[in-house]
Amino acid sequence: DAGITQSPRYKITETGRQVTLMCHQTWSHSYMFWYRQDLGHGLRLIYYSAAADITDKGEVPDGYVVSRSKTENFPLTLESATRSQTSVYFCASSESPGLAGLQETQYFGPGTRLLVL
Amino acid sequence: AQKVTQAQTEISVVEKEDVTLDCVYETRDTTYYLFWYKQPPSGELVFLIRRNSFDEQNEISGRYSWNFQKSTSSFNFTITASQVVDSAVYFCALSVAGGADGLTFGKGTHLIIQP
Repeated sequence: DAGITQSPRYKITETGRQVTLMCHQTWSHSYMFWYRQDLGHGLRLIYYSAAADITDKGEVPDGYVVSRSKTENFPLTLESATRSQTSVYFCASSESPGLAGLQETQYFGPGTRLLVL
Repeated sequence: AQKVTQAQTEISVVEKEDVTLDCVYETRDTTYYLFWYKQPPSGELVFLIRRNSFDEQNEISGRYSWNFQKSTSSFNFTITASQVVDSAVYFCALSVAGGADGLTFGKGTHLIIQP
């Protein structure tokens, strides 16, 4: 029972390089999310996906691209990494909204620590 | 727009003391969920509890208890007889109906339990 996994767990890259962070969940949850966590800002939503081939922007989407060709995978790509994208990135998943359309509990992966030099 | 405020950035107590973490939320929606997550030093985010806006009953789970008061828009978390293993950053979060765009998190409270 792997749940939700992220890879790599740690990544160092250079400014201008493309980086892809992977997220995989085994629960068949329809919703998936990417957050970044920074000191002083808490967790902020980057992108989310309601189902395969359906994605939408969150609070801080600039500089990021996502795709969701399969329900279980939700990769996040930094097309041209910048130092300001140094952060800890969390992927999360949840079931479809239930009661009164409320967003269900999100379960988080272990995170990816990204350092952009 | 939604907002979650955790005014206590850091709390330090001695083991076995009781400690309360405050959470105040803002939303115009009448239907919403409130959450608490724990982030231990290892870094993962662990789900602790979810309450919906229809249910103001307090909840107790072992040494943990939660006090939800709509009148003050608060969802406070109390740890009784704290232990060193409770040391972590605790996040309060909010989701609203139709708000498929994720959770709104507070900035977290860093709880330090000293032996």
